[in-house]
Amino acid sequence: AQSVTQLDSQVPVFEEAPVELRCNYSSSVSVYLFWYVQYPNQGLQLLLKYLSGSTLVKGINGFEAEFNKSQTSFHLRKPSVHISDTAEYFCAVSAEGSSNTGKLIFGQGTTLQVKP
Amino acid sequence: DVKVTQSSRYLVKRTGEKVFLECVQDMDHENMFWYRQDPGLGLRLIYFSYDVKMKEKGDIPEGYSVSREKKERFSLILESASTNQTSMYLCASSLAGTGVNEKLFFGSGTQLSVL
Repeated sequence: AQSVTQLDSQVPVFEEAPVELRCNYSSSVSVYLFWYVQYPNQGLQLLLKYLSGSTLVKGINGFEAEFNKSQTSFHLRKPSVHISDTAEYFCAVSAEGSSNTGKLIFGQGTTLQVKP
Repeated sequence: DVKVTQSSRYLVKRTGEKVFLECVQDMDHENMFWYRQDPGLGLRLIYFSYDVKMKEKGDIPEGYSVSREKKERFSLILESASTNQTSMYLCASSLAGTGVNEKLFFGSGTQLSVL
């Protein structure tokens, strides 16, 4: 079974500052990793995903994440945030090879609050 | 672009009522899912479906059932609503075959309050 822990429930940051949202996972098998974003009053959208290959993954809106197998982490980063990045961010995991299941295990979510 | 539409944004029901939450997707996706979202708990999978008339339990199916009579529509049913089912319900869909290698498309959610 897989599990995901997002280490911060809220992250306040000033506009144009860098940000890191932390995600750790647990699994006995190889995994796929995802970050989703939920803007206020909207559904979730895929931000980026790691399936294989390069451990540094770039996503939409200037976000990137790095897969670290030894530390079982998949932290999300952005070098300079905007007010419009204010949202809730979810890390998710699924077991590699679990094709056609869609059974993502989500973390608890991290609310990013960007202040002017 | 894919559109996943949930019929109600807000819903208020009374304890013991039978509740239907409807979800429709317009991109011919085979897979459809129902999650509930609670503060501090993230998203938890209730039920999912790979095909018409096919369903499988997720992680928290107790107190819920589903129906998929047509490919585009996936309904979540609360047979007898209880206060602990007050939550945000999110529907999602995805293509078959590629499974989790592809992204899930989410609806905007239905905030259900059971009084």
